[in-house]
Amino acid sequence: AQSVSQHNHHVILSEAASLELGCNYSYGGTVNLFWYVQYPGQHLQLLLKYFSGDPLVKGIKGFEAEFIKSKFSFNLRKPSVQWSDTAEYFCAVNAAGNTGKLIFGQGTTLQVKP
Amino acid sequence: EPEVTQTPSHQVTQMGQEVILRCVPISNHLYFYWYRQILGQKVEFLVSFYNNEISEKSEIFDDQFSVERPDGSNFTLKIRSTKLEDSAMYFCASSWDRGSDNEQFFGPGTRLTVL
Repeated sequence: AQSVSQHNHHVILSEAASLELGCNYSYGGTVNLFWYVQYPGQHLQLLLKYFSGDPLVKGIKGFEAEFIKSKFSFNLRKPSVQWSDTAEYFCAVNAAGNTGKLIFGQGTTLQVKP
Repeated sequence: EPEVTQTPSHQVTQMGQEVILRCVPISNHLYFYWYRQILGQKVEFLVSFYNNEISEKSEIFDDQFSVERPDGSNFTLKIRSTKLEDSAMYFCASSWDRGSDNEQFFGPGTRLTVL
């Protein structure tokens, strides 16, 4: 069965610090990978996604993620966080060619101090 | 920008009562999903729906749950006899096309509290 694990449950950073949130998945086949963000009081929104091609993908708001197939990882990065990045971040996968069912990690709460 | 909407934002019910959670997907989307998140736990897939039938459902989605698209705009999740453990945030999502490489757009969620 597919599963997703996010290493950090709660991260606190100061503005301008660099961010890396870990995500590992377990699945034997080809997957599509996603990072979603949920700002306080708002919907889940797609930050970025990887389907194929360049394993380094860039998303909105300066976020990027790197797919490392050998490590089953899809870590999210941002070189310099802002207070407005305070949110909950979810890594998710689905099986390529499947119905679209998303399997989520448990989420990481990021708190950025001004 | 079009978005998925859900009503109500918060529903409180007594154990054993029926609840209907409503969603209005993005208008030209064809695939619809329900997920839930119990407090402190992961977002979990419940069901996907296309062409007026269930495409896939999880083990959570037992006989107490049903989904319906009663008209051209609404997509509903019904829980026939709620249990305490059904208390969770329920998210509706929709996508334009089937398949794993299509972005799902999420609604804001309905917080269901079962007393």
